Amino acid sequence: EPEVTQTPSHQVTQMGQEVILRCVPISNHLYFYWYRQILGQKVEFLVSFYNNEISEKSEIFDDQFSVERPDGSNFTLKIRSTKLEDSAMYFCASRRGAGRTDTQYFGPGTRLTVL
Amino acid sequence: AQKVTQAQTEISVVEKEDVTLDCVYETRDTTYYLFWYKQPPSGELVFLIRRNSFDEQNEISGRYSWNFQKSTSSFNFTITASQVVDSAVYFCALTLGGSNYKLTFGKGTLLTVNP
Repeated sequence: EPEVTQTPSHQVTQMGQEVILRCVPISNHLYFYWYRQILGQKVEFLVSFYNNEISEKSEIFDDQFSVERPDGSNFTLKIRSTKLEDSAMYFCASRRGAGRTDTQYFGPGTRLTVL
Repeated sequence: AQKVTQAQTEISVVEKEDVTLDCVYETRDTTYYLFWYKQPPSGELVFLIRRNSFDEQNEISGRYSWNFQKSTSSFNFTITASQVVDSAVYFCALTLGGSNYKLTFGKGTLLTVNP
């Protein structure tokens, strides 16, 4: 069964460094998402992406964040200058289309630790 | 804006007991979709069920059942004859009809099933 994959599973970085989190969505899916879960808290929407552009972003997704689909299969989240409060689990999700029966499927997550 | 409330932070049961996880949602839209996701200790988010606002039929899948009631804005989840492997955080989520379908999650309920 196709699934969303994410790499790395755990990333440790120093404050102020840039990180890139990678996701490979399910191959025939068209809508892509990033969510964040700070330890012990709820899952929060960051950004949605469709047709090579951001379709919606939350207030969390400030200028330090960017997303890209560089090669038609990968979907990346970049944090330019990490802060301590960026430490969280980051989930990528994908969705086939805009149909009512379509569901978002999540990857296993990348745990980002900012020191 | 939409909101999902899971009032139960933690529930602890003994194996084979039935347990119901509560979810109350708020939205002014008439078209919306409700979900339950399971997050086991390994951290991934596993899709369990989706319900559409125009379909109030309750559903049973093995030991799992869902009770959707628009009159009380609730979408409760029952596990019958719980097992230790059911131990996880369970998230209820809501999305509105529209092209982005971003998910709004509740804070989750930690279910511990003791042997």
